[in-house]
Amino acid sequence: ETGVTQTPRHLVMGMTNKKSLKCEQHLGHNAMYWYKQSAKKPLELMFVYNFKEQTENNSVPSRFSPECPNSSHLFLHLHTLQPEDSALYLCASSQDIGQGLDYGYTFGSGTRLTVV
Amino acid sequence: AQSVTQLGSHVSVSEGALVLLRCNYSSSVPPYLFWYVQYPNQGLQLLLKYTSAATLVKGINGFEAEFKKSETSFHLTKPSAHMSDAAEYFCAVSDRTGGFKTIFGAGTRLFVKA
Repeated sequence: ETGVTQTPRHLVMGMTNKKSLKCEQHLGHNAMYWYKQSAKKPLELMFVYNFKEQTENNSVPSRFSPECPNSSHLFLHLHTLQPEDSALYLCASSQDIGQGLDYGYTFGSGTRLTVV
Repeated sequence: AQSVTQLGSHVSVSEGALVLLRCNYSSSVPPYLFWYVQYPNQGLQLLLKYTSAATLVKGINGFEAEFKKSETSFHLTKPSAHMSDAAEYFCAVSDRTGGFKTIFGAGTRLFVKA
């Protein structure tokens, strides 16, 4: 596989559940990003990892917990979410955070999350 | 801090007509500017980017954008719309301050009428 792959594509979870979103890239990139896309709102940057180190946490509630075990994989662990957390969660990658400025990002297709 | 404003949440054009999607940015240092396109049920795809080289930037699918520093604008154009151009378009800005973050606009949905 090439590009950025996100699984699952769709997820419905209750407010008391625990689930995880997975992102995998086969591009040899070293920076990975989580964005939240809600209807009628700009994309919100959530977390940035560069060479497996978290470089940005954009005031995200603790019910969202990221994990980056290596440069190819990024997870978003979810627990006790609220209905307003329902959104499309997008993963992206770039060579590193500096080259993300020069070359832009490669995005996955997203996970559509519904919290009931 | 950077910011980006896209004027018009929806734009409708006829097939064959000029496409113009507007983007204005704010950045205290020279910016990096991007346009991305999102088709239904897909992620964002990079259309084109400005990184301080030529001010007129050509991208994929016949799109181009012009960086105008005096107007703080980076509008996206295409001379002749195709039905396949119907999608949502996002303008984004980054710079080398503040952690190299990329900030996206709210998006403009383009409708193309036959």
